[in-house]
Amino acid sequence: DTEVTQTPKHLVMGMTNKKSLKCEQHMGHRAMYWYKQKAKKPPELMFVYSYEKLSINESVPSRFSPECPNSSLLNLHLHALQPEDSALYLCASSPTMGGHQPQHFGDGTRLSIL
Amino acid sequence: EDQVTQSPEALRLQEGESSSLNCSYTVSGLRGLFWYRQDPGKGPEFLFTLYSAGEEKEKERLKATLTKKESFLHITAPKPEDSATYLCAVRVSFGNEKLTFGTGTRLTIIP
Repeated sequence: DTEVTQTPKHLVMGMTNKKSLKCEQHMGHRAMYWYKQKAKKPPELMFVYSYEKLSINESVPSRFSPECPNSSLLNLHLHALQPEDSALYLCASSPTMGGHQPQHFGDGTRLSIL
Repeated sequence: EDQVTQSPEALRLQEGESSSLNCSYTVSGLRGLFWYRQDPGKGPEFLFTLYSAGEEKEKERLKATLTKKESFLHITAPKPEDSATYLCAVRVSFGNEKLTFGTGTRLTIIP
């Protein structure tokens, strides 16, 4: 079992729907991350939050909107997605951003866009 | 540009047959190299962090080593449950602190 919990595990949505992905950690970590992973590819960084503030946005389309309501919770709001957005969305956390500290990943949300 | 290359892309071994996976990197300044294991449909599971050349870390049948240009993940007498994709990632000293991942090695251990 991972210490980073993501819900839902699976999500199917149409291109006009609005949905949200949720990530929670209770390790006291102050950096949280969203990654996108396509089949047989490595994870690609989307966003980084450090102390609840958005620190890095890797030029992600505005149809993806991150939110960090508190130090334990990270959301990813989805709207008007495209079929190519179908992927595994991974959340990760680390004590702080950068340095020698590893990131710890959740098991992801498998997203399918119809 | 920072680059991380893993080889081989895929590796099939008999149970008990030891081998090594390679992660070579070209970066402006290494702040840390990380090894992860990823099972199908799961998130990457952290294995090791290596900071400086000459460093070694061990965990059960796995041993990770680091030189100035590459890292090896040695697997000794593997078991079928060691089958997974092994990812390495680097963090550079003067970048924006993000991880740059290699494309992974898919390891299959045949009973």
